[in-house]
Amino acid sequence: IAGITQAPTSQILAAGRRMTLRCTQDMRHNAMYWYRQDLGLGLRLIHYSNTAGTTGKGEVPDGYSVSRANTDDFPLTLASAVPSQTSVYFCASSEEQGASGANVLTFGAGSRLTVL
Amino acid sequence: KQEVTQIPAALSVPEGENLVLNCSFTDSAIYNLQWFRQDPGKGLTSLLLIQSSQREQTSGRLNASLDKSSGRSTLYIAASQPGDSATYLCAVTDSSASKIIFGSGTRLSIRP
Repeated sequence: IAGITQAPTSQILAAGRRMTLRCTQDMRHNAMYWYRQDLGLGLRLIHYSNTAGTTGKGEVPDGYSVSRANTDDFPLTLASAVPSQTSVYFCASSEEQGASGANVLTFGAGSRLTVL
Repeated sequence: KQEVTQIPAALSVPEGENLVLNCSFTDSAIYNLQWFRQDPGKGLTSLLLIQSSQREQTSGRLNASLDKSSGRSTLYIAASQPGDSATYLCAVTDSSASKIIFGSGTRLSIRP
C-alpha cells in the first residue's frame, strides 16, 4: 500500500539522549515535511525538503536536524532530547512544488515521543 | 509571518444539522488552502484543496470556500453524521509553495 511509514510509533526517551525518527515514502513525492503536534498549538512545521539534497527550516527547527539523501527517506534527529520535545511527530509528503502542483499532503500515522 | 486561526476550538451539534467550520489567515498571498480531518490517535487525511485562483471545492457533503481578500475559508458539512466526529484542520501553503502552516483545529462532535 503506497504511503508514508514512520518508525517508531512510540518511544520513551531519557533527556540528553540522541533519537532519530524515521520516515519513508514510496510515492516518489518530491517534497517532505516534519511537523510536531501539541495540544492547543496544532501542527507546527519543524523542517522541510523540497527535493532530495535540499532542506529548509520551518517554524520550530531548534533542537532538530534533518537530511534528505534520497527521494524516499527523510529522517528527523534530536541530537540531545529535552522534555519540551515531548510531542507527536508527523511526517508528510506532497507530490509537487511550484506553479503546476496541487501540493496535496499525505501524512504518516505519527510517532509519539516522550522525553523524561 | 503567516498565522492560521480556527475558531471555535470545539463544536458539538446534533446529527442531521448542517454546519460551518471557520479558518482565517493573516497573509492573503497564498498558494492554496487545504482542509484535513484527523481522528483521535491517527494521522491527517486530506479532504479538500482549494487553489488560490479558486473560490470553492466540493466533495460529497463537504464544500470548502476561499476568500483570499478577507483571509477566510469555510468548510460546510451538510446533513452531519456521527461518523463526521473528528478534528478538522485547515492549512495554508505560502506563495512560494514551500511551507504549509496549520491552524490548531476544530474538534467536532456530532450527537446521535
